[in-house]
Amino acid sequence: GNSVTQMEGPVTLSEEAFLTINCTYTATGYPSLFWYVQYPGEGLQLLLKATKADDKGSNKGFEATYRKETTSFHLEKGSVQVSDSAVYFCALYTGANSKLTFGKGITLSVRP
Amino acid sequence: GAGVSQTPSNKVTEKGKYVELRCDPISGHTALYWYRQSLGQGPEFLIYFQGTGAADDSGLPNDRFFAVRPEGSVSTLKIQRTERGDSAVYLCASSQRGGGETQYFGPGTRLLVL
Repeated sequence: GNSVTQMEGPVTLSEEAFLTINCTYTATGYPSLFWYVQYPGEGLQLLLKATKADDKGSNKGFEATYRKETTSFHLEKGSVQVSDSAVYFCALYTGANSKLTFGKGITLSVRP
Repeated sequence: GAGVSQTPSNKVTEKGKYVELRCDPISGHTALYWYRQSLGQGPEFLIYFQGTGAADDSGLPNDRFFAVRPEGSVSTLKIQRTERGDSAVYLCASSQRGGGETQYFGPGTRLLVL
């Protein structure tokens, strides 16, 4: 079956630090990969996505590259801001079924 | 435009009671999804509607859970004989046509079963 594994959290960084959040997956078929973000008090929002190998998704300064050879989709940002404090979820979709499969999520706290 | 809305935002009930959770998807979206998120976990799929029909209900944990979407818009998730283990945040999402398109999530209903 499909699964997504995220690095253990929480993660605490100082403003302007470099961010990497690891995500690896197991899937049958050729998944589309997503990062969703949940800001405090808000619903899940799509941050970025990639639909095929070597694609790079980007949004709000965040980037993630679909690496088929390592089955990974790590999230990076060069300089985090306090406003990036949120819970980040990696997810996949294969089309063999209708659902998103999510990782456990990781809480990011950015201090001024 | 308006996003996905869910009501109530919070629901407290007693073990054994019946609850209904409502989801209003984005207007015109034919695909609607229910997920359940337990504390410290990612959302887990429950059921997917395409129009009025449940296209995939493989995530419903048992027959106490049931969902309907009679007119292809609003959906109701129904839980009978609630148990303490049903306590979670229930999330609804919609997408324009399904099939891997972006799913837009509502704020969720936080259910607490005492």
